Amino acid sequence: KAGVTQTPRYLIKTRGQQVTLSCSPISGHRSVSWYQQTPGQGLQFLFEYFSETQRNKGNFPGRFSGRQFSNSRSEMNVSTLELGDSALYLCASSLAASGETQYFGPGTRLLVL
Amino acid sequence: GQNIDQPTEMTATEGAIVQINCTYQTSGFNGLFWYQQHAGEAPTFLSYNVLDGLEEKGRFSSFLSRSKGYSYLLLKELQMKDSASYLCAVRDTVTGGGNKLTFGTGTQLKVEL
Repeated sequence: KAGVTQTPRYLIKTRGQQVTLSCSPISGHRSVSWYQQTPGQGLQFLFEYFSETQRNKGNFPGRFSGRQFSNSRSEMNVSTLELGDSALYLCASSLAASGETQYFGPGTRLLVL
Repeated sequence: GQNIDQPTEMTATEGAIVQINCTYQTSGFNGLFWYQQHAGEAPTFLSYNVLDGLEEKGRFSSFLSRSKGYSYLLLKELQMKDSASYLCAVRDTVTGGGNKLTFGTGTQLKVEL
C-alpha cells in the first residue's frame, strides 16, 4: 500500500505570495492532519480534516487554511507569505478521526525569500 | 494545552541500551506516541501507549505512567542507524474526537562506535 504523498517536495516563494500544498493520504485513510516543523519550534499542529470538515485547529493565524476533498486528499494554503513561514510542512493521515496512529508523508520544504 | 519536555541530545555506544525520557503536563490526555525522524526525512511511528505500563516491540520498548505524566522510550542493542531524532507526542482529548498531537522538541540521539 502506498504511503502518504505530498507535492511539491520543495518550493521557493517570495514574501507576500501565496502557496498551496497538496497531500494524498494512505488509501482508506480519512483523517488528514497538517504540521509545521521548524528548528526553533519543532513540530506544531496546524489543523485536521476528516470527511471534508475541519475537526481541529492549532494556534496559527488565519493566513493558514486548508480543505479536504471527497477522496480524502487535502490541500493547505498559506497566503501573504512571511519569512517566518519557511519550514517543513508535514501531512499525516490516519484511518479515522481519532484513536488511530498517524502516518507522515515526506513533507514539503518551503523557503520564503 | 500541553507542555512536553525531553532531553535535547543524548549520546550512546553501539550495542548499548539507551532510555529517552519524556514528561508532560496536560489539560487532557488521550495517548502518547513516539516517532523516529532521521535528518531530512518524515517522522516514522515507533510506539503508542494509552494505558500505564510497558509496550515492547522488538528492540524498542515504551513505558507510560499517566499519574506521573511520564514516559520513556528504551532502545536496546543500539545500531548506528538508530542515530536520529526521537519525538514524544501527546494526543489531546478533543471534543468530537480527533488527532491533534502536541510534540516535544525531540531528542537527538547519536550512536557512536
